[in-house]
Amino acid sequence: KAGVTQTPRYLIKTRGQQVTLSCSPISGHRSVSWYQQTPGQGLQFLFEYFSETQRNKGNFPGRFSGRQFSNSRSEMNVSTLELGDSALYLCASSLAGGVGYGYTFGSGTRLTVV
Amino acid sequence: KQEVTQIPAALSVPEGENLVLNCSFTDSAIYNLQWFRQDPGKGLTSLLLIQSSQREQTSGRLNASLDKSSGRSTLYIAASQPGDSATYLCAVRRGSNAGGTSYGKLTFGQGTILTVHP
Repeated sequence: KAGVTQTPRYLIKTRGQQVTLSCSPISGHRSVSWYQQTPGQGLQFLFEYFSETQRNKGNFPGRFSGRQFSNSRSEMNVSTLELGDSALYLCASSLAGGVGYGYTFGSGTRLTVV
Repeated sequence: KQEVTQIPAALSVPEGENLVLNCSFTDSAIYNLQWFRQDPGKGLTSLLLIQSSQREQTSGRLNASLDKSSGRSTLYIAASQPGDSATYLCAVRRGSNAGGTSYGKLTFGQGTILTVHP
């Protein structure tokens, strides 16, 4: 059974640019969550999608956005990149928001903003 | 606001030792608690999931306990091996609100960096 797939694995972008990250959840999972991991702040919740609807959002500026498609695949977008956006971005997949079986994480996308 | 604390921040032990990692949370209204392992530069690997109604879960050399009323969980690792070296993270999922809408957000601790030396 395939796991959670995140693409690309690594990205280098210039300050001011925008970036789109992709996450394909485990087949049959309808919930996708996104997290940002930095050495200083640890793992912080960005947002959660279930059946194409954003159900929960963390405390991040509006430059961070996401969406989920009908096949449950999700993308997150960061516009006007800042140096502080450099982080490991992790996607988590679950059947229904972590109910019952918890979350499965992908390997992450390492974003470096220069 | 839920806060999760993990103690110790780092732990170095010789191979073969049994060890305990601690996790505490401030809001006992959780749905479940999940322990993860993270190797450097990698994603998270789920180790154990404990539902709020459960007291413990076991998988191989790992045993996790949950005391929801006191806001504590422990991860016990038996007969540690160098391959256990990693960062261990605990995360709590908030329980449903009165209206029945479930909140899927995980709140993580800062992690315990474990080093097991031969």
